[in-house]
Amino acid sequence: GESVGLHLPTLSVQEGDNSIINCAYSNSASDYFIWYKQESGKGPQFIIDIRSNMDKRQGQRVTVLLNKTVKHLSLQIAATQPGDSAVYFCAENSGSGYSTLTFGKGTMLLVSP
Amino acid sequence: GAVVSQHPSWVICKSGTSVKIECRSLDFQATTMFWYRQFPKQSLMLMATSNEGSKATYEQGVEKDKFLINHASLTLSTLTVTSAHPEDSSFYICSARDVGTQYFGPGTRLLVL
Repeated sequence: GESVGLHLPTLSVQEGDNSIINCAYSNSASDYFIWYKQESGKGPQFIIDIRSNMDKRQGQRVTVLLNKTVKHLSLQIAATQPGDSAVYFCAENSGSGYSTLTFGKGTMLLVSP
Repeated sequence: GAVVSQHPSWVICKSGTSVKIECRSLDFQATTMFWYRQFPKQSLMLMATSNEGSKATYEQGVEKDKFLINHASLTLSTLTVTSAHPEDSSFYICSARDVGTQYFGPGTRLLVL
């Protein structure tokens, strides 16, 4: 398992700012990616997904960008609010069909009023 | 979106006892459910994939005789932690797949004394 005392990367922003959370994925064969938000003591909540045949997808206040060349995924949150404070995980799905997801290590987003 | 529930939300037990956690998909049928474990400030680690009507597939390093999984119906999967020990204390999260997207339950906090 992970070593004791592991700290999540943290992004601190002011309310109203735009936030960008980055993720490097590992498998060049991955064809489906999801961003999840996890608040303290709760299960992950689906935010937005993107397939490998796209490089950008927009939702409500969120945008996901996919750069397959460098295996990089980002989540942009516009006009960040205190309620956006949580840990954000990217997940990749590789292989054919709907196989299991592999989660990234997560980034903690702290939004101050 | 699809809703997944877990019961109980938290449980405290004595070392050596067994604990059963239920995972239900409330408004959809899930032929596949997943069980994850999450330690503080860490990412989700897949324990096993539960397939309705067949044996679960366990990830490397997860003891199938210790973590018993039963997926008896399209809406219910159970995880039983047998002979629990303090090192089994963790946050256990299930998820169910609906048309390719995985939705997560709220998690079960297990504390073994």
